Amino acid sequence: AQSVSQHNHHVILSEAASLELGCNYSYGGTVNLFWYVQYPGQHLQLLLKYFSGDPLVKGIKGFEAEFIKSKFSFNLRKPSVQWSDTAEYFCAARGGSGTYKYIFGTGTRLKVLA
Amino acid sequence: DSGVTQTPKHLITATGQRVTLRCSPRSGDLSVYWYQQSLDQGLQFLIQYYNGEERAKGNILERFSAQQFPDLHSELNLSSLELGDSALYFCASSVDLNEQFFGPGTRLTVL
Repeated sequence: AQSVSQHNHHVILSEAASLELGCNYSYGGTVNLFWYVQYPGQHLQLLLKYFSGDPLVKGIKGFEAEFIKSKFSFNLRKPSVQWSDTAEYFCAARGGSGTYKYIFGTGTRLKVLA
Repeated sequence: DSGVTQTPKHLITATGQRVTLRCSPRSGDLSVYWYQQSLDQGLQFLIQYYNGEERAKGNILERFSAQQFPDLHSELNLSSLELGDSALYFCASSVDLNEQFFGPGTRLTVL
């Protein structure tokens, strides 16, 4: 069955610490991958996406993610977090061409301490 | 502001009742998606419409139904409500498959 797993449910970091949030997917065939962020009191917004090409994807606000096909992973990274990165982060996947159904992970709540 | 609007923002109702949630997509977006976000299950895809037609179905209960109207707004109807239906319901829209733009959500509380 298609699935997206985020193993870290809650992460607490101090400012300037490095961040890596795990995301693993289970999909047959081509897959498109996304990271969305939901800041407190705000709507979900796209951080970055991977469709094809360079497996290292750069997104907004200094975030990046690496697609590792052999590990079925799409981990989100940021070298130095800020207090304003406190939010909930969702990994999502969609089967390639012609598939409209998105599957989201359960989310990771990140709290950054000032 | 994503350009997607949802009404109402909050809804409190009783078990057994029926409610309708409304979503207006961004101008020009033909696709509308509905999601349910609960504490224990994360963000669950319910259903997607494209230009008035149902395109994909996820974990949507039979008590729930949706439609997209000619002006592209969409409604999610929830009936015979149960306590467990209390959740945040998000609508998203997109012009293509690259990115979804999410609305602010409707918080439903079933008492």
